[in-house]
Amino acid sequence: GAVVSQHPSRVICKSGTSVKIECRSLDFQATTMFWYRQFPKQSLMLMATSNEGSKATYEQGVEKDKFLINHASLTLSTLTVTSAHPEDSSFYICSALEGRGKTTEAFFGQGTRLTVV
Amino acid sequence: TQLLEQSPQFLSIQEGENLTVYCNSSSVFSSLQWYRQEPGEGPVLLVTVVTGGEVKKLKRLTFQFGDARKDSSLHITAAQTGDTGLYLCAGLSNSGYALNFGKGTSLLVTP
Repeated sequence: GAVVSQHPSRVICKSGTSVKIECRSLDFQATTMFWYRQFPKQSLMLMATSNEGSKATYEQGVEKDKFLINHASLTLSTLTVTSAHPEDSSFYICSALEGRGKTTEAFFGQGTRLTVV
Repeated sequence: TQLLEQSPQFLSIQEGENLTVYCNSSSVFSSLQWYRQEPGEGPVLLVTVVTGGEVKKLKRLTFQFGDARKDSSLHITAAQTGDTGLYLCAGLSNSGYALNFGKGTSLLVTP
């Protein structure tokens, strides 16, 4: 299957600082990538849809000024958590769709564990 | 948004037992995918089912797509401790660009 690489896997930052998470599709081009947040033992909560060359589409309740998304190329999307606070601590996961029509499948990054202290 | 209801939400069984996880919706999906996620890692794709009534087997795992393409099931035979994890179903919308996830089934298999 296709490979999506997410970096870093773990990050600890001080309250008030910003953190950037990268999501790369290694062997395919991804026009669209997705960013999720996951709480312990729960499913994935879609935060935003990242579109190459255009603005991201945010889900209701997600602050676009706090979670900045940039999709500058067909293989890279970044999520920047600005002015992070302890309540932003969570597991963040990206995914990219590969294929067309019914054969479209989602491939996920390894996730990033963010801890804000 | 096309909603997917997944059940049960939590399941704890002993090694050797069989189990079935269900994924239901009132909407029709272009295809449906099953993922398994282990703690601290991203979900890994297990299978994609596309045709109504389709059955796919992956060793001890059997996946079925409903005839109307609105629901799916995952059956595990003789569960092993290595099957422990969060199982997620996801339906691909007819547009082909939106993947809607169920809330997941957290499975714990004990020795």
